Amino acid sequence: ETGVTQTPRHLVMGMTNKKSLKCEQHLGHNAMYWYKQSAKKPLELMFVYSLEERVENNSVPSRFSPECPNSSHLFLHLHTLQPEDSALYLCASSPRSGADTQYFGPGTRLTVL
Amino acid sequence: AQSVAQPEDQVNVAEGNPLTVKCTYSVSGNPYLFWYVQYPNRGLQFLLKYITGDNLVKGSYGFEAEFNKSQTSFHLKKPSALVSDSALYFCAVRKNNAGNMLTFGGGTRLMVKP
Repeated sequence: ETGVTQTPRHLVMGMTNKKSLKCEQHLGHNAMYWYKQSAKKPLELMFVYSLEERVENNSVPSRFSPECPNSSHLFLHLHTLQPEDSALYLCASSPRSGADTQYFGPGTRLTVL
Repeated sequence: AQSVAQPEDQVNVAEGNPLTVKCTYSVSGNPYLFWYVQYPNRGLQFLLKYITGDNLVKGSYGFEAEFNKSQTSFHLKKPSALVSDSALYFCAVRKNNAGNMLTFGGGTRLMVKP
């Protein structure tokens, strides 16, 4: 295992629900990332946090709201999602912002009905 | 803007044979190049990276990759494939000093048959 955990591993939600994805890293890293992996599309970087400050927001719709309360935890709050938001959401961390190697969690498989 | 191309959606190889998974990139300046592997229902695992120095980079599980600046390629190779190597492989590039922007290719599914 990489030292990055994500919960839940699977989530099914309706378009009017509000849910949150959680990521935790046990590596002492200072940077954390959210990616979206859809079928037949390249991995898309959504957000980057460095020392709990958002440093990258890759034109993501406002129905996705990240939160980084400390350097070990990262959340992705979801509300009024669309079916096309169904995907695998991957969290990653690295020692510092801009560092070379990112370590990924197992992902949360999200299905929006 | 930086980009990565993995021209093959799938590569099929027999166990014991050498394998190559292709990757070409486009970036201005010096690139940082990476290979990641994704097994079913798992996140991405780091395999190897090229930053500078020797063009042949050795990584995990017997994989290696060769950086070719003139051809802007970074193909992943292994001398003898295992059935357990079957997975989805991603090439990624980051421009030197480009902060956090790691751009991934679309992925190549490697199928190793016994």
